[in-house]
Amino acid sequence: AQRVTQPEKLLSVFKGAPVELKCNYSYSGSPELFWYVQYSRQRLQLLLRHISRESIKGFTADLNKGETSFHLKKPFAQEEDSAMYYCALSGVYNFNKFYFGSGTKLNVKP
Amino acid sequence: GAGVSQSPRYKVAKRGQDVALRCDPISGHVSLFWYQQALGQGPEFLTYFQNEAQLDKSGLPSDRFFAERPEGSVSTLKIQRTQQEDSAVYLCASSLNGQDTDTQYFGPGTRLTVL
Repeated sequence: AQRVTQPEKLLSVFKGAPVELKCNYSYSGSPELFWYVQYSRQRLQLLLRHISRESIKGFTADLNKGETSFHLKKPFAQEEDSAMYYCALSGVYNFNKFYFGSGTKLNVKP
Repeated sequence: GAGVSQSPRYKVAKRGQDVALRCDPISGHVSLFWYQQALGQGPEFLTYFQNEAQLDKSGLPSDRFFAERPEGSVSTLKIQRTQQEDSAVYLCASSLNGQDTDTQYFGPGTRLTVL
């Protein structure tokens, strides 16, 4: 079965500290992995996708197929990073059907 | 330009009532998606359109849920005989071509409360 697991509902860190939001998945095929973010009173928006191998707002994520993980990392958290983060996956051959995790709320304290 | 819009933003229905939720995608976007987001959960896929064709409706939870996009632009999600478990935020998203490299752009959602 297709599943995305985000084990932490809430993650609190101090400004300047490293942050890692965990995401594990199960998928019977070749997955595409994404991170979406929702800032307070804003819409859900794409943060990054693994296929692009890009760094957005200082965030990176590496797909580890052996551990079936796609953790989101940032070396130095900023207060403006406080938001709800969702990990999501779709299939390489069924890329229009997305599965989302339940989300992790990141709170960056001053 | 204008993003994805949804109306109404909030809807309160009595159990058993029918509701209709509207989504206006970004102009020219071929693909349109509906998601259901229960409190404390991530979005769950309901259905997907490419133009007017509904290509995947595997996520619709019951035959009380029906979605259409007759002219390939605006879409309506209809829920018949609403139940309390239908209470959720309903999100609409659109993407340009439905290709694997496309980005989905989300609307603000409609919060449905069934009493």
